[in-house]
Amino acid sequence: GDSVTQTEGQVALSEEDFLTIHCNYSASGYPALFWYVQYPGEGPQFLFRASRDKEKGSSRGFEATYDKGTTSFHLRKASVQESDSAVYYCALGTQGKLIFGQGTKLSIKP
Amino acid sequence: GALVYQYPRRTICKSGTSMRMECQAVGFQATSVAWYRQSPQKTFELIALSTVNSAIKYEQNFTQEKFPISHPNLSFSSMTVLNAYLEDRGLYLCGARASQNTLYFGAGTRLSVL
Repeated sequence: GDSVTQTEGQVALSEEDFLTIHCNYSASGYPALFWYVQYPGEGPQFLFRASRDKEKGSSRGFEATYDKGTTSFHLRKASVQESDSAVYYCALGTQGKLIFGQGTKLSIKP
Repeated sequence: GALVYQYPRRTICKSGTSMRMECQAVGFQATSVAWYRQSPQKTFELIALSTVNSAIKYEQNFTQEKFPISHPNLSFSSMTVLNAYLEDRGLYLCGARASQNTLYFGAGTRLSVL
């Protein structure tokens, strides 16, 4: 069945560091791919999506490019801030529902 | 913007009792609603996908008899957890589908069972 894998369970960075969170998917065709962010005590917030090969999604300085060749949708940000501390989820959209990855907890040291 | 409200935010029920949670989409018409449960380990389980005027589709391990859902219009859905036990604890999330098949989530209803 369809699935999403996030390699990193936790990432610890300092402010202004470069961020990469890896996301790979397994699915047939061209599923839509999403990134969500979840802060403590809240539900997941939609960051952005992409639905075609080579399409780039972006929001709030975060970006990811849909790569069908490597079945990836890695999240990147050039310079993280302490306020970016949260759990990030990659997700695959299929048949009206989302399949989530395991999540990556991002901690930023001031 | 697309907003989704869920209430109550937190609830505590005695083992074997039931509780109802509600979900409301504001600012858009939700063509479908997906109910999820997030475990303490933060993983997401899809409970069911509900589309107005269509049958509600439950995922494996979840049934209508345990998690009945009502979805009367494009802005409101409710779900009940019947006969709740410890294994039903978690954060119940409602995701309402807007344009481009994007799901917008509420803050969730956190269920504790005594």
